Amino acid sequence: AQTVTQSQPEMSVQEAETVTLSCTYDTSESDYYLFWYKQPPSRQMILVIRQEAYKQQNATENRFSVNFQKAAKSFSLKISDSQLGDAAMYFCAYRYLTDRGSTLGRLYFGRGTQLTVWP
Amino acid sequence: DTEVTQTPKHLVMGMTNKKSLKCEQHMGHRAMYWYKQKAKKPPELMFVYSYEKLSINESVPSRFSPECPNSSLLNLHLHALQPEDSALYLCASSQDPLSFYGYTFGSGTRLTVV
Repeated sequence: AQTVTQSQPEMSVQEAETVTLSCTYDTSESDYYLFWYKQPPSRQMILVIRQEAYKQQNATENRFSVNFQKAAKSFSLKISDSQLGDAAMYFCAYRYLTDRGSTLGRLYFGRGTQLTVWP
Repeated sequence: DTEVTQTPKHLVMGMTNKKSLKCEQHMGHRAMYWYKQKAKKPPELMFVYSYEKLSINESVPSRFSPECPNSSLLNLHLHALQPEDSALYLCASSQDPLSFYGYTFGSGTRLTVV
């Protein structure tokens, strides 16, 4: 099974400031997908950003960007200009590009980072 | 329609009851998933349906029985559950099992077994 590690169980940030959430993963694959999901107290998991491992360029979605370091197997999420609505649990996830038997469709999640945003 | 709809949102059931959770999507997605999530933990995969066929069963106890009647609908039938089965049950879908576009999740069913 793939291992996804989020070493920060909790993080906090002042409104309008920038915060970075870390994620590392273990894989022997050369191509794969990586995701960040956000789960606010309303409990719905929302896709924040995605990255294809074979693309070197870091993905960006508005205030959210990633720092993808393939050799280091690192996939950190940077949130700029933090807003109160960014407060949530953030999960990093890995997905195989091809079927490896019991991997079809599966997302491998990290344990999550709880982000608090202070006004 | 870009949503995955789960019903009911909340369910309380006794250990001898039979109930069903329902999940519906109309995005033309051909892969659907059931996940179980305990508080402050990541979701745990239960079942994967790919093109209406069960492709992954994560050794889930037989008291959970999935069903995919068509490409838009996914059910989870519950019978003789235990209190430790109380959790948030999340349904998700994706274009296909290998889609780069990730999952679209429903808002979940909060299940309490008494």
